Amino acid sequence: NAGVTQTPKFRILKIGQSMTLQCTQDMNHNYMYWYRQDPGMGLKLIYYSVGAGITDKGEVPNGYNVSRSTTEDFPLRLELAAPSQTSVYFCASSYTPAAFPYNEQFFGPGTRLTVL
Amino acid sequence: GENVEQHPSTLSVQEGDSAVIKCTYSDSASNYFPWYKQELGKRPQLIIDIRSNVGEKKDQRIAVTLNKTAKHFSLHITETQPEDSAVYFCAARLIQGAQKLVFGQGTRLTINP
Repeated sequence: NAGVTQTPKFRILKIGQSMTLQCTQDMNHNYMYWYRQDPGMGLKLIYYSVGAGITDKGEVPNGYNVSRSTTEDFPLRLELAAPSQTSVYFCASSYTPAAFPYNEQFFGPGTRLTVL
Repeated sequence: GENVEQHPSTLSVQEGDSAVIKCTYSDSASNYFPWYKQELGKRPQLIIDIRSNVGEKKDQRIAVTLNKTAKHFSLHITETQPEDSAVYFCAARLIQGAQKLVFGQGTRLTINP
């Protein structure tokens, strides 16, 4: 299994541009998450999904949108990029908690985004 | 909502000594507390976790303790080695419901040879 994969690894955007960060998992996980990690800071939840067709906001959703049309994919869309969105973005996935005693979140390798 | 505070933000210890990182949480309903390790430029990875019905859990050189009354939990690393150098994050979450982890700010641990 490849686990959780993300593309691209790096990206530089100009203010006002848009882009989509891709996330795919091959572990048949129901739950998927998007976090951002600012320098020297912890992880902040942007959006999450509990299954195909179901998404909800996390702590810092403004400026982002998500969709979940399949179990495997959970893309994150940035509209009108701003310098405040410069960060490292991590996608993660996990099993439905009721099925397992522990619910580890498996993270992707991250996307480093700079908005100039 | 849940809030997690983590201390210290940086920690430097001599190789072979012990390291302790502490976290406090605000929501008494939280019942799952994982610790993640993030090496430089890498993704966070789970190293140990504990549920609220357990007071302590050990896995070789690492252990986590939980005090539900005081709403704090700690990571203990004994006999530290250079490969323990990393940023460590604590987190808290309700097992039921939305499955949202709230992370602490992270502790940068440096092991000095």
